[in-house]
Amino acid sequence: TQLLEQSPQFLSIQEGENLTVYCNSSSVFSSLQWYRQEPGEGPVLLVTVVTGGEVKKLKRLTFQFGDARKDSSLHITAAQPGDTGLYLCAGAGQGAQKLVFGQGTRLTINP
Amino acid sequence: ETGVTQTPRHLVMGMTNKKSLKCEQHLGHNAMYWYKQSAKKPLELMFVYNFKEQTENNSVPSRFSPECPNSSHLFLHLHTLQPEDSALYLCASSQVGGRGSYNEQFFGPGTRLTVL
Repeated sequence: TQLLEQSPQFLSIQEGENLTVYCNSSSVFSSLQWYRQEPGEGPVLLVTVVTGGEVKKLKRLTFQFGDARKDSSLHITAAQPGDTGLYLCAGAGQGAQKLVFGQGTRLTINP
Repeated sequence: ETGVTQTPRHLVMGMTNKKSLKCEQHLGHNAMYWYKQSAKKPLELMFVYNFKEQTENNSVPSRFSPECPNSSHLFLHLHTLQPEDSALYLCASSQVGGRGSYNEQFFGPGTRLTVL
């Protein structure tokens, strides 16, 4: 059974600080996706990484896929209150349609 | 309407009621999904439909009955639910297959279900 462990599960920091969220597994994934979910809404896709070692940037968000394609990280620079939400990573196995979701990181950015 | 829509957004029902959740995707995708999201648990996949054919039932109790009349619409029929079934039910769609397809899923806003 493929599992994705996210850490930390909860994070509360001040506006302007930097943070990193981790998504780890013992399994290899062909691709990994990051979603953000705000209260009362469904998850919204932020990025997909597919190549080991790949780095993608989305404004102040930097996503990295591990070289072995077993882990990923999300780094936010100069966090803002608008970054508050539940961040979910999800992995897809080779040829698999199902996504395996991590349990999420609930991020709160205080003004 | 754009994206994935779900109705109703909130539903309160008794254990003896029968109700249905509706999902519609306007993205031209060929796959649709039902997920259950409970507090402190990862998103749980319930059902997968490809080209309106069910391809996955993730050991879901029979009190949940999905229906997919076409590639754009998905229903979840509910009957004799238990209080522990209270959760956010999310519908998603994706385009499966084809070059460069990574099964990126697009979610609706969910139905917040409370079973009394």
